[in-house]
Amino acid sequence: NAGVTQTPKFRVLKTGQSMTLLCAQDMNHEYMYWYRQDPGMGLRLIHYSVGEGTTAKGEVPDGYNVSRLKKQNFLLGLESAAPSQTSVYFCASSGVGRGGRVREQFFGPGTRLTVL
Amino acid sequence: KNEVEQSPQNLTAQEGEFITINCSYSVGISALHWLQQHPGGGIVSLFMLSSGKKKHGRLIATINIQEKHSSLHITASHPRDSAVYICAVSYIATGNQFYFGTGTSLTVIP
Repeated sequence: NAGVTQTPKFRVLKTGQSMTLLCAQDMNHEYMYWYRQDPGMGLRLIHYSVGEGTTAKGEVPDGYNVSRLKKQNFLLGLESAAPSQTSVYFCASSGVGRGGRVREQFFGPGTRLTVL
Repeated sequence: KNEVEQSPQNLTAQEGEFITINCSYSVGISALHWLQQHPGGGIVSLFMLSSGKKKHGRLIATINIQEKHSSLHITASHPRDSAVYICAVSYIATGNQFYFGTGTSLTVIP
């Protein structure tokens, strides 16, 4: 099993450019999450999905869009990149246990994005 | 929003020392998670707790639901334990979102 994979690993964009980050998991997990990690701050949730075809906003959704057309894939899009979106982006996935509680998260290796 | 606070922010220990990292949270939770982030950036889940205590090798995690507090202990610390340890809580009422502390940076000196 590959677990959770992310592409690309690194990217440099100019202000105003767009890009899509791809996350894929092979564990048949229901939940998938996109986070950003900035120095001195904890991981912050951008968007998440509780299943195929569903998405929801997290703590810092502005400037990002997501789609989950297939259960194993969760895409994060930046329509018009800004320097404030320079960050490390992590994707994660979780299964669901008894009572609907989410289980442990499995993280991808991260994508380091710089917006000039 | 569930506030998650960790202490200390930074910790340096000599090899072999017993280490404790603390985590407190503000609202009732579904589960508490301890994560480890290696210097290379990868994040792995160490424990998921909803009550009591769990042990894996030299790592022990405890949680006190009434006091809204958890501790991560490392016995006989080793330089390979050097990493950032992150506390997170998940809360079913908010759609199983996770809320993270800012992490504790641990350095174990040989």
